Amino acid sequence: GQQVMQIPQYQHVQEGEDFTTYCNSSTTLSNIQWYKQRPGGHPVFLIQLVKSGEVKKQKRLTFQFGEAKKNSSLHITATQTTDVGTYFCAGLTGGGNKLTFGTGTQLKVEL
Amino acid sequence: ETGVTQSPTHLIKTRGQQVTLRCSSQSGHNTVSWYQQALGQGPQFIFQYYREEENGRGNFPPRFSGLQFPNYSSELNVNALELDDSALYLCASSLTLFADNSPLHFGNGTRLTVT
Repeated sequence: GQQVMQIPQYQHVQEGEDFTTYCNSSTTLSNIQWYKQRPGGHPVFLIQLVKSGEVKKQKRLTFQFGEAKKNSSLHITATQTTDVGTYFCAGLTGGGNKLTFGTGTQLKVEL
Repeated sequence: ETGVTQSPTHLIKTRGQQVTLRCSSQSGHNTVSWYQQALGQGPQFIFQYYREEENGRGNFPPRFSGLQFPNYSSELNVNALELDDSALYLCASSLTLFADNSPLHFGNGTRLTVT
């Protein structure tokens, strides 16, 4: 079955440093979504990417969808303590309804 | 606008017992999906309900079953509980059944512990 892996599994940064998480799918995706889960919370939708090579920005967050639509990345510039949480990518295949979540990257930001 | 609500928040059951988890979808959302999230893992798709019928299922055994009601609320039932069923169970509602048109809105989840 479809697998979605993320690296790294954990990342500790000092506040102000940049952070990147990478997402790789075993199959070609029709779109990819990113979610953030704060400690003790639930996943919250951040963004969706659909087109090959698409890049979207949300303030300090930059999301990219690979040319082959099998990988994606999330980059945070100048991290803040509010960025703490686990970031999940979630891929969709074809016109289906089943989102396959990645393994997640847990981000910790130290002052 | 009312978000997704789940009950109970925490539950402790014994192996072999049965459990029912409940979910009220966000106002205007007609599709409900259930996910299982083990500690330190990403959410795993259990199934989706649309217009009171199951519309897609992940790799979960038949002892995981569900219902959706006319008001779009939903239940997840798990029979013959096993220790590995211990997890956070997340309900997510969406505007449509196609995930590429409508992102998931998650509830706070039910933390199930099986002893």
